[in-house]
Amino acid sequence: KAGVTQTPRYLIKTRGQQVTLSCSPISGHRSVSWYQQTPGQGLQFLFEYFSETQRNKGNFPGRFSGRQFSNSRSEMNVSTLELGDSALYLCASSFLDMNTEAFFGQGTRLTVV
Amino acid sequence: KNEVEQSPQNLTAQEGEFITINCSYSVGISALHWLQQHPGGGIVSLFMLSSGKKKHGRLIATINIQEKHSSLHITASHPRDSAVYICAVTNPGDSNYQLIWGAGTKLIIKP
Repeated sequence: KAGVTQTPRYLIKTRGQQVTLSCSPISGHRSVSWYQQTPGQGLQFLFEYFSETQRNKGNFPGRFSGRQFSNSRSEMNVSTLELGDSALYLCASSFLDMNTEAFFGQGTRLTVV
Repeated sequence: KNEVEQSPQNLTAQEGEFITINCSYSVGISALHWLQQHPGGGIVSLFMLSSGKKKHGRLIATINIQEKHSSLHITASHPRDSAVYICAVTNPGDSNYQLIWGAGTKLIIKP
């Protein structure tokens, strides 16, 4: 079956702009979680969605938001981009939660200039 | 102190060597994941375990719940095993909805 698909793979944006990233989970998976990876901070949890509801949120400012659609596809949005938002954004798909096997996408590498 | 600690941070070995990467955690867990990340970013799930031992090909993962410790072993290592290996856990206190990550172990296998 198809894996987790993240689009776009690479993105360059200017400070102050906003960006939307997309994640299509594995068919049948209802949980999608998002993570930010930076060289300095490592991997950090952003938020998790299940059946269109946000179940948990990490310690990120309100500029980071997300949503999940009825087909389980998820988007995350970052408004008013800052240079420090440059990172690899990864999404993970699982059937129920992180006590079931998680599958990861290739990530979206965002560069803010 | 980080809730998930990995050692070593970096490991360089010769092809064919037996590799061990360690993970210790300080929180109660529901499950522990071992993941592999190659340059370029994509993460691959290797194992998810909550007790005992799992084996897949040349990879073996073990966990000791009482000691709050897990190990990932690679037998007959090969240059294609070069990657960052990451340990992550789910904490029931967080309702299992997020992974708590270790910092990763960068493994280089020389031919």
